[in-house]
Amino acid sequence: AAGVIQSPRHLIKEKRETATLKCYPIPRHDTVYWYQQGPGQDPQFLISFYEKMQSDKGSIPDRFSAQQFSDYHSELNMSSLELGDSALYFCASSFLTGGIHGYTFGSGTRLTVV
Amino acid sequence: QQPVQSPQAVILREGEDAVINCSSSKALYSVHWYRQKHGEAPVFLMILLKGGEQMRHEKISASFNEKKQQSSLYLTASQLSYSGTYFCGTLGNAGGTSYGKLTFGQGTILTVHP
Repeated sequence: AAGVIQSPRHLIKEKRETATLKCYPIPRHDTVYWYQQGPGQDPQFLISFYEKMQSDKGSIPDRFSAQQFSDYHSELNMSSLELGDSALYFCASSFLTGGIHGYTFGSGTRLTVV
Repeated sequence: QQPVQSPQAVILREGEDAVINCSSSKALYSVHWYRQKHGEAPVFLMILLKGGEQMRHEKISASFNEKKQQSSLYLTASQLSYSGTYFCGTLGNAGGTSYGKLTFGQGTILTVHP
């Protein structure tokens, strides 16, 4: 079965650089979520999209932006990177906002800012 | 608001049982349970819906007490493969439907020894 595809798997950037993370949800899933997970921490919600429209926003810095495209893939753009942005970034998708179905997470992108 | 999980960590020998609890201060539509291995994506285990039945996934089961807004995950006859961090995730209840995004608890680290 198709899973959530994230790219790249690993990314190393310098401070003040820009990064773009990509996510391809499971076909027919209508909602995409972005989460940030620091070492030893729980996933923190950043932003979500329902049918290509932003549906909810969490603790996402103003330096970050995201969008969902017509083919349902989503991109998380991160600018002016800081050392504290180093984390695992997960994309998840669900059907019907996950209320009665679980989220399926991608394998994540490990971002290291040096 | 973030749900509270207890205990923070559990150490078991193969074949032993464990219970992980998750409680919330707000009305819930559903509670999700995920298991995450180090450096990997969270994997969906099961979902408990308001008014729903107790769920099972192999030898793992869970319940949802709506009055107390609590859910418990029961791991019986634990196996080495059960090791990982268990997260509960909660979805709020708005007029009988789910809304928003999953908010995760801080996680419970489960270690199963031979």
